[in-house]
Amino acid sequence: SQQGEEDPQALSIQEGENATMNCSYKTSINNLQWYRQNSGRGLVHLILIRSNEREKHSGRLRVTLDTSKKSSSLLITASRAADTASYFCATPRANLIFGKGTKLSVKP
Amino acid sequence: NAGVMQNPRHLVRRRGQEARLRCSPMKGHSHVYWYRQLPEEGLKFMVYLQKENIIDESGMPKERFSAEFPKEGPSILRIQQVVRGDSAAYFCASSPNLQASDGQYFGPGTRLTVT
Repeated sequence: SQQGEEDPQALSIQEGENATMNCSYKTSINNLQWYRQNSGRGLVHLILIRSNEREKHSGRLRVTLDTSKKSSSLLITASRAADTASYFCATPRANLIFGKGTKLSVKP
Repeated sequence: NAGVMQNPRHLVRRRGQEARLRCSPMKGHSHVYWYRQLPEEGLKFMVYLQKENIIDESGMPKERFSAEFPKEGPSILRIQQVVRGDSAAYFCASSPNLQASDGQYFGPGTRLTVT
């Protein structure tokens, strides 16, 4: 069964707006990772948040983690058309377990 | 430092043929992971290998699929007697660590189309 489930499945916003994506997982984790996938391309590692962290920033990205609720959120501020992609959360075992992703569309 | 390399990028096979997908990990990485992605789906783990060893193949179909990571050369994912349902994007990732704990580096994928 999938470990990560992203929500919403699809999100469409205007350039300059913020985009928030959520991820829920089922079992305990050491860390949670967010990846981006542009259409037809491989995945790019965006950010990793460890289980003892509550919030982490990287540029326009902000990730939060709530281990009591087994959920994480990814916030992209001041979105750009180039942010259009699918975003996945993943939790590591020996391999990574991915959700189905949130498809973000940023309209110029 | 080149990233993870996969070839071919696109592969078309007729039903019943064999497909060989290659993956060269990043320099210094000895852990390789293969994932399959169906359209509109997330990535599903298939197999995890270190040099000359299969560590975890729990996600790989029992028949027709095999993987190797020899001492020299790339990792190979081999699909024998392909069927239409094998059409998907196959991604390889590598990491320097024992597990995927600190993130994996992904290749661009091989898109397999079975006609």
